[in-house]
Amino acid sequence: AQRVTQPEKLLSVFKGAPVELKCNYSYSGSPELFWYVQYSRQRLQLLLRHISRESIKGFTADLNKGETSFHLKKPFAQEEDSAMYYCALRPNTDKLIFGTGTRLQVFP
Amino acid sequence: DAEITQSPRHKITETGRQVTLACHQTWNHNNMFWYRQDLGHGLRLIHYSYGVHDTNKGEVSDGYSVSRSNTEDLPLTLESAASSQTSVYFCASSSALEQFFGPGTRLTVL
Repeated sequence: AQRVTQPEKLLSVFKGAPVELKCNYSYSGSPELFWYVQYSRQRLQLLLRHISRESIKGFTADLNKGETSFHLKKPFAQEEDSAMYYCALRPNTDKLIFGTGTRLQVFP
Repeated sequence: DAEITQSPRHKITETGRQVTLACHQTWNHNNMFWYRQDLGHGLRLIHYSYGVHDTNKGEVSDGYSVSRSNTEDLPLTLESAASSQTSVYFCASSSALEQFFGPGTRLTVL
């Protein structure tokens, strides 16, 4: 079955602390994985895609096929990072399968 | 600039009424999607379309329908609204690289 698991509903950290939002997937083929972010009262927007291996707003995510994971990391959290984060899997179609999301709260 | 819009942004309706949520994109994308967002469930796919006159059921399609008469629009219809359909609805269209989302419609069914 194709599935994305985000085990944490809420992650709270203080400003300057490292952040890791966990994402595990279940898919038998070669996955395409994404992180989307939704700031308060805004639409979802793409943060990262694994194929581009880029760093956006200080966030990085590495695909680990052995552990079937695509965890999102940032070494020093900022207050403006507070948002809802969704991991998503795109199988060999154009559809996206989303995880249930993790709310990141960064306290000053 | 190309964009994707949804209307209305907020809607309150009564159980049993028919409701249509509009989605319009100017990206000229063939692929369009409707999701609902619920706490604890994330985003779940309702219906999707790969082009004009093409529609497909998603994970949670019961009680919903869509039609695609042109490239720009994919309206979502709730045939007979139920309280379980109270949710935030997002429309999206996609290029080869990513999906672009609309601002969402918050629907309350009383």
